[in-house]
Amino acid sequence: DTEVTQTPKHLVMGMTNKKSLKCEQHMGHRAMYWYKQKAKKPPELMFVYSYEKLSINESVPSRFSPECPNSSLLNLHLHALQPEDSALYLCASSQGSGAPGETQYFGPGTRLLVL
Amino acid sequence: AQSVSQHNHHVILSEAASLELGCNYSYGGTVNLFWYVQYPGQHLQLLLKYFSGDPLVKGIKGFEAEFIKSKFSFNLRKPSVQWSDTAEYFCAVMANQAGTALIFGKGTTLSVSS
Repeated sequence: DTEVTQTPKHLVMGMTNKKSLKCEQHMGHRAMYWYKQKAKKPPELMFVYSYEKLSINESVPSRFSPECPNSSLLNLHLHALQPEDSALYLCASSQGSGAPGETQYFGPGTRLLVL
Repeated sequence: AQSVSQHNHHVILSEAASLELGCNYSYGGTVNLFWYVQYPGQHLQLLLKYFSGDPLVKGIKGFEAEFIKSKFSFNLRKPSVQWSDTAEYFCAVMANQAGTALIFGKGTTLSVSS
């Protein structure tokens, strides 16, 4: 099973709202990722968790707050977002061993619209 | 720093035509190279990857790619495309270490007419 699930599929929120995106995998992977993908653009890395510890933060604004409660779950907490934050938010996971050819498996994404 | 360049922004082909999508990367160390596909409304799926061994790698759905180290290239090919191959194709590179980013090219939109 190479499935990464994400909820919700779609989210509309105002600039003053607080919401959370959720990601789950049951492949025993120890690395999990958040990417942001704008329309007609490639995914861009936001955060990496390795063994439940934040290992990479690509200078993402503090209105995005990641959380990794356990090795299977990854959350992205959203607060006071701007309209330009509207995008597809992708979660991915990989084994986390650093072995050659390690593959990242992507979820279907959450399509976020900020009004 | 790693970077990936995809030369073709939008490719339009008729069914049964042959396909080649160009990808060049820039990275000084050992890299892992990937091609991902994103069908309309679907999530990113791995087509194929290269990290060592035979530079000609075969993936799903009849796709193959050739790693040419001297040219820093990893071009994707398919001898005969189908309408169902209409999708966005991304070349990506990743350094050979745990929990590191995939660096994607800008993507190529492939439109196949029946």
